[in-house]
Amino acid sequence: GENVEQHPSTLSVQEGDSAVIKCTYSDSASNYFPWYKQELGKRPQLIIDIRSNVGEKKDQRIAVTLNKTAKHFSLHITETQPEDSAVYFCAAKSSGTYKYIFGTGTRLKVLA
Amino acid sequence: KAGVTQTPRYLIKTRGQQVTLSCSPISGHRSVSWYQQTPGQGLQFLFEYFSETQRNKGNFPGRFSGRQFSNSRSEMNVSTLELGDSALYLCASSLPTTDEQFFGPGTRLTVL
Repeated sequence: GENVEQHPSTLSVQEGDSAVIKCTYSDSASNYFPWYKQELGKRPQLIIDIRSNVGEKKDQRIAVTLNKTAKHFSLHITETQPEDSAVYFCAAKSSGTYKYIFGTGTRLKVLA
Repeated sequence: KAGVTQTPRYLIKTRGQQVTLSCSPISGHRSVSWYQQTPGQGLQFLFEYFSETQRNKGNFPGRFSGRQFSNSRSEMNVSTLELGDSALYLCASSLPTTDEQFFGPGTRLTVL
């Protein structure tokens, strides 16, 4: 069945350093890959997404890359700040379906 | 525009009881998806509704059911509650023409 693996489960970085979170999906029909940030006690918020016809997308300090051949996609956060501390989830959605498969999350801690 | 709302926000039930959760999507959004979030498991897809029709279903037992009304509001029902049903239940809505989902604040269900 469909599956999305996410690594690492926890990540600690010093303020100002970069953070990278990686996801692997199993369904080759996946064509939409969103990333969500969930702060403690709050709802998940979409921070960036990418479609299968694009290899990379940037939004200020956040970027996502997609390797369709390897079925990998990654979230890159540069110049991390304490307010980036949260749980990040990747997800994949296949064309022709309305079902989103989520990774198990990465708890990012940015140390001041 | 008002965001996605969910009621109630917190619920405590005992084993064997049933529960109904409600989700009101953003105005104009006709797709509503439901997720179960537990520590370590991430977000697991329950089902998705569009125009009162269930289009996709996740791998949950038949005790979990849902429906959508003509105004796009959705409800999910869990019958014969088990301790393992304790979780945060999130709903998300989206426009018919996009994949971007907006989450509600969730309903925290505790089964004793």
